[in-house]
Amino acid sequence: GAGVSQTPSNKVTEKGKYVELRCDPISGHTALYWYRQSLGQGPEFLIYFQGTGAADDSGLPNDRFFAVRPEGSVSTLKIQRTERGDSAVYLCASSYQSGAYNSPLHFGNGTRLTVT
Amino acid sequence: GIQVEQSPPDLILQEGANSTLRCNFSDSVNNLQWFHQNPWGQLINLFYIPSGTKQNGRLSATTVATERYSLLYISSSQTTDSGVYFCAVGTDSWGKLQFGAGTQVVVTP
Repeated sequence: GAGVSQTPSNKVTEKGKYVELRCDPISGHTALYWYRQSLGQGPEFLIYFQGTGAADDSGLPNDRFFAVRPEGSVSTLKIQRTERGDSAVYLCASSYQSGAYNSPLHFGNGTRLTVT
Repeated sequence: GIQVEQSPPDLILQEGANSTLRCNFSDSVNNLQWFHQNPWGQLINLFYIPSGTKQNGRLSATTVATERYSLLYISSSQTTDSGVYFCAVGTDSWGKLQFGAGTQVVVTP
């Protein structure tokens, strides 16, 4: 498909467990973003990749959260020692970004994470 | 950080009606995008509009950057227009966005 793909679509885990969420961006998009959306709120920025490097991780809530994009395409968001407060929809977006030019952000359908 | 305020928070429309959604922001921006989140949670980009006016079918948007606001117009609304409309702004040279709280729109037949 041509859109941003996120897997799994749903993830239920127990408190304290480790989870990985995957994002496959639109082909050719250089920039990749992770956002988190809690019920009734707008998405909140977590981290931004330009190529393989995390250019801005200022939105990660604490050191239990980590993300990688080793080959500049697929990205994985990793959450250690999950807590009930981590329950949310995790959204991935991609765009073409070069210098000061940004294309619109295109979001995936999200991964709904529930921590029990 | 930058503040983004959207109004109204909720809007109920009869099919065929027109409406205007507003987004105010507290600082200069170089990135402004409007999104529609449908009832299934899918977030669709409507406009990339840091300034000026754009139209796409029944939707149009205007951003007056000097006065720090943007407007989204929905004309001849349809039930498929239901959902939450988000305004998101950015002050960096790349796509980090601050989202507003959204306007919940319900279009009734």
